[in-house]
Amino acid sequence: DAGVIQSPRHEVTEMGQEVTLRCKPISGHNSLFWYRQTMMRGLELLIYFNNNVPIDDSGMPEDRFSAKMPNASFSTLKIQPSEPRDSAVYFCASSRRGTGPSGPQHFGDGTRLSIL
Amino acid sequence: AQKVTQAQTEISVVEKEDVTLDCVYETRDTTYYLFWYKQPPSGELVFLIRRNSFDEQNEISGRYSWNFQKSTSSFNFTITASQVVDSAVYFCALSGGPLRSNDYKLSFGAGTTVTVRA
Repeated sequence: DAGVIQSPRHEVTEMGQEVTLRCKPISGHNSLFWYRQTMMRGLELLIYFNNNVPIDDSGMPEDRFSAKMPNASFSTLKIQPSEPRDSAVYFCASSRRGTGPSGPQHFGDGTRLSIL
Repeated sequence: AQKVTQAQTEISVVEKEDVTLDCVYETRDTTYYLFWYKQPPSGELVFLIRRNSFDEQNEISGRYSWNFQKSTSSFNFTITASQVVDSAVYFCALSGGPLRSNDYKLSFGAGTTVTVRA
């Protein structure tokens, strides 16, 4: 079975440019998460969607960050304008959530983002 | 507030040695989940196990075993007869329990880097 698919795997761009990260969750999973991993702060939850609706965006750093989930099989995380301090590994994860307990989160391979 | 502490920053062992990773957690929730994830050098995060706080039975999966002790708020992970492919960063995590509103919110420890030498 296909896991969570993220693209691109690596992105290098200059400060001020718009960056778009993409994620395809596991088929049948209705919860989607974006995380950021840095040496200083470890793994942080940025935003959580359930059934394509943003439920918790309290981790989004600032207005330069936005996330969308237009349908059950696709999500984007956008940074505009990008800054060097946004350099990190960004992970997407998905899980199944129904009337019973939610399933564990499964992560994609991550996007390593470098802002010069 | 939830907190996960992995006091061991790095562990280095020789192949075939056993290695135990410590995880201590804090939570005010009466029900919660505990997790272990593996991050190999290639960078992906791999789910290993989820444990419900109601279930204190130890679990074994191949060379991996987990020891959950509610009395000491610990969820330790042992790799038996380690192999070079076990070299990775291992993260312990905590979330709210089944059907709790915060069951999606993973609080990760800082991770323990395991290096297995041939």
